[in-house]
Order: sequence, then structure tokens, then C-alpha cells
Amino acid sequence: YELTQPPSVSVSPGQTAKITCSGDTLPKQYAYWYQQKPGQAPVLVIYRDTKRPSGIPERFSGSTSGTIVTLTISGVQAEDEADYYCQSADSGGTYVFGTGTRVSVL
Amino acid sequence: QVQLVESGGGLVKSEGSLRLSCAASGFIFSDFYMSWIRQAPGKGLEWLSYINTRGTNTNYADSVKGRFTISRDNAKKSLYLQMDSLRAEDTAVYYCARVQGADDYGFDLWGQGTLVTVSS
Repeated sequence: YELTQPPSVSVSPGQTAKITCSGDTLPKQYAYWYQQKPGQAPVLVIYRDTKRPSGIPERFSGSTSGTIVTLTISGVQAEDEADYYCQSADSGGTYVFGTGTRVSVL
Repeated sequence: QVQLVESGGGLVKSEGSLRLSCAASGFIFSDFYMSWIRQAPGKGLEWLSYINTRGTNTNYADSVKGRFTISRDNAKKSLYLQMDSLRAEDTAVYYCARVQGADDYGFDLWGQGTLVTVSS
């Protein structure tokens, strides 16, 4: 199965960035979001659709509606410029990543 | 400290083999499912394989099924990926990652990655 994201999102500092991820299995499976900066390993920023791991700033939030999940970055900062990936999995051990979205802070 | 450290990457010829290792520290390795994930140059993340806590259940992406084998040694706190019949398109940074657990299937801990280059 596939998870589809927009290739890029541009946002001005202080504004809100919304990154969508669509997939037919998302109503039945949790979604996870990762931030990846150049030359670094990905970092989990949202799990179980809406939960933030400890240490992740409150400006990162997740939401879900049917076959679409959304990562929202409120009050975007320059340091949020990165690639973002959604991910899902089934209980049988099949995992999938979304196509990835580059967030540019103008 | 809590970390994963991959090793074993390098340059290999097409049709060759390579074995990657991932050393875990700072947490109870045997309590967690583990996975391998790769990223080709300039491309997105691709999940490759998963293994359960005891190594009795595994799964693979279609792109590597029959060529790659995941395994673990809980006594050594290590995860492995045996890669055979390598192709140019297997060139990527390979990450090992810890699965959250407790019905959460996100990856909450990643290694720094090891680069595999397959020359044709």
C-alpha cells in the first residue's frame, strides 16, 4: 500500500505549515511522522496520529480525518526547515513510509 | 546512553554480499522489535525488514525479499542484515531503528546510518 504526500510546502516564519499524508489504510492504522534534516537520521515527532514524544516542541501536532492524516507546525521557525515523512504499519509487520515533503521556510 | 550504532557498510561489486551490524546500548534490546530502513541518495525513506523480539518472526519489503535476511542476537544486543545479490539500486544509507512497542509501530530510536555503495 502507498502513502502519498505533497513534494513540497513553503511557509513564512511564524506562519502555520500543514503537511498531508493520504492512504487507504489510514482509517485502520495509526500514522507516525518524522523530521529529517540534511545529513541526519530521522526523528519521530508524532506517533499514534496525534501524540508527541517527549522533547518534541508543542508547535508540532497531528490530526486525522478518514484517509488523510495531517502534520501541523504552528509558528514555524527557521529550524523546522527539513524533510517530513509519514509512516504507517500493520500488525503483521509490514511498514510503509510516505513519499516525503520538503518544508521550506521562506 | 541510549543509542544504535550501525557498521559494516562499504563499497561492494554488483552481485556481491555484505553484512550490516547494529549495536544497541542503553536499553533492554530484547524487549523491542527492530527494523532496517534505507535511503538512496536524494530519495525518500524505504522500510526494508522487521524482526520480532525473539527473532522468530520477520517480514521484508518486496524489493529485498529473497536477497536480504534480518537476524538478531539478544545476548550480544545486536541486529544484523545479510545482503546478498546486491544491485546498483541497493546503494543507500542503511539505518537500523527501534520499534516503539506496545501496539505502537513507529521508530523512536535510529542509528546514524551506514553507507552501502554497489558498483556495477
